Amino acid sequence: GAVVSQHPSWVICKSGTSVKIECRSLDFQATTMFWYRQFPKQSLMLMATSNEGSKATYEQGVEKDKFLINHASLTLSTLTVTSAHPEDSSFYICSAPSQAFDGYTFGSGTRLTVV
Amino acid sequence: TQLLEQSPQFLSIQEGENLTVYCNSSSVFSSLQWYRQEPGEGPVLLVTVVTGGEVKKLKRLTFQFGDARKDSSLHITAAQTGDTGLYLCAGTSGSRLTFGEGTQLTVNP
Repeated sequence: GAVVSQHPSWVICKSGTSVKIECRSLDFQATTMFWYRQFPKQSLMLMATSNEGSKATYEQGVEKDKFLINHASLTLSTLTVTSAHPEDSSFYICSAPSQAFDGYTFGSGTRLTVV
Repeated sequence: TQLLEQSPQFLSIQEGENLTVYCNSSSVFSSLQWYRQEPGEGPVLLVTVVTGGEVKKLKRLTFQFGDARKDSSLHITAAQTGDTGLYLCAGTSGSRLTFGEGTQLTVNP
C-alpha cells in the first residue's frame, strides 16, 4: 500500500535556528502533498498545500516566509521552519492523496520542540 | 469556510460498551473519511464513504454517510481497550481535506 515516510520523528532545536522536515512518498508519486500542524488534544490544521514544481499554497494566517515548503520531486516535499520560536513547538504531519484516491496517507509526524 | 463538528469531544467508556460518534456539517462533501490516530503517530484511514445513505462495516465499526452527504456517524460495538484513540472525521471537497475537531475515545478495562 501507499506509504508516506516522514523524518525526523522528533527534533529539539534552539530558538532562532531552522529545522527541516522531510516527507517522502515511498512507493508512489505525489504531485500534491499537504502539511498539517496539530497541538495536543486538538485536531489537524492544514498549513499549506505543496505542489510539485510550483509554489505552495498557504492557508490564511500561515506565514510563508517562516514555513518554507519545497516540492522539488514527485516523491519529496520538505517543510523548513525558519527562525524557530517556542510557540512553533508542535506536531507537524504531512500527507498525500492515496493512489486509489479513496483517502489520504499520512506520515508518522514530527514532534518539534523549540527551546 | 467548511466546518465539521464532531461530538462528543471526549468519551470514556468501559470495555464491552457500544458508542456512537457524530460528524456534522452545513456543507456538502464529495466524500467523507474517518481516521484513527494514536499518540505520536499520523492518522490512519479507516474508511471512506462517498454515496449519500451509504453504510460501511469494518468488523465492529459501522460507518454511515447521511443522505444529504453533510453528516456521518461511527458506531463501535462491544468496544475493546485497543479501540482507544483519537477518531477524526474529514470531508473532501476537491483536493481539500477538512478535519473535524476529533473525538478522544478511552476504553477502560
